[in-house]
Amino acid sequence: DAGITQSPRHKVTETGTPVTLRCHQTENHRYMYWYRQDPGHGLRLIHYSYGVKDTDKGEVSDGYSVSRSKTEDFLLTLESATSSQTSVYFCAITTGRYTGELFFGEGSRLTVL
Amino acid sequence: AQSVTQLGSHVSVSEGALVLLRCNYSSSVPPYLFWYVQYPNQGLQLLLKYTTGATLVKGINGFEAEFKKSETSFHLTKPSAHMSDAAEYFCAVSVGNTDKLIFGTGTRLQVFP
Repeated sequence: DAGITQSPRHKVTETGTPVTLRCHQTENHRYMYWYRQDPGHGLRLIHYSYGVKDTDKGEVSDGYSVSRSKTEDFLLTLESATSSQTSVYFCAITTGRYTGELFFGEGSRLTVL
Repeated sequence: AQSVTQLGSHVSVSEGALVLLRCNYSSSVPPYLFWYVQYPNQGLQLLLKYTTGATLVKGINGFEAEFKKSETSFHLTKPSAHMSDAAEYFCAVSVGNTDKLIFGTGTRLQVFP
């Protein structure tokens, strides 16, 4: 158990509203990731972080921003949600650099109406 | 650029039959390759990985995969399927052998009694 908690686990919101998803880890790992999972696309990397205030874009970062002010929390924000952002969002961490072994949270299912 | 292609979005086998899930990769550098499994309503977990060394790698739950450079393949096999193997399986390659993974679109495995 990598001690990853995502919140909220389920959210329904309306187009144009801001949404923030939270990923919390208890093990003090530096490397954290946000992925989205969609049928037919697998998982796609949105943003990642290598430490406090050290973040970078993944392959599908448009419409998303992130923040990491504390090691344990990695926040994903949709400034103005759109229906195309309806998805399941997964947070992941790695325990060491270049291991390739990601530990995933249980996911946050977001529906944008 | 790295990428993976999983052939077959759905695979059905009978309990006790051979499981074969196909994955082909593209990478400009010697790849790090991974198979992850996702059970319903859960995050992904690592089944096995290939980085360097022995090309036949063994993972959890009796699964194994063979790295074949000449065929750019990393197929996942299990000699005898069990009902509990029903899940979605994702092949992944690391980006430049970092912790950023590119995932395939997934193969859903069904196991019939």
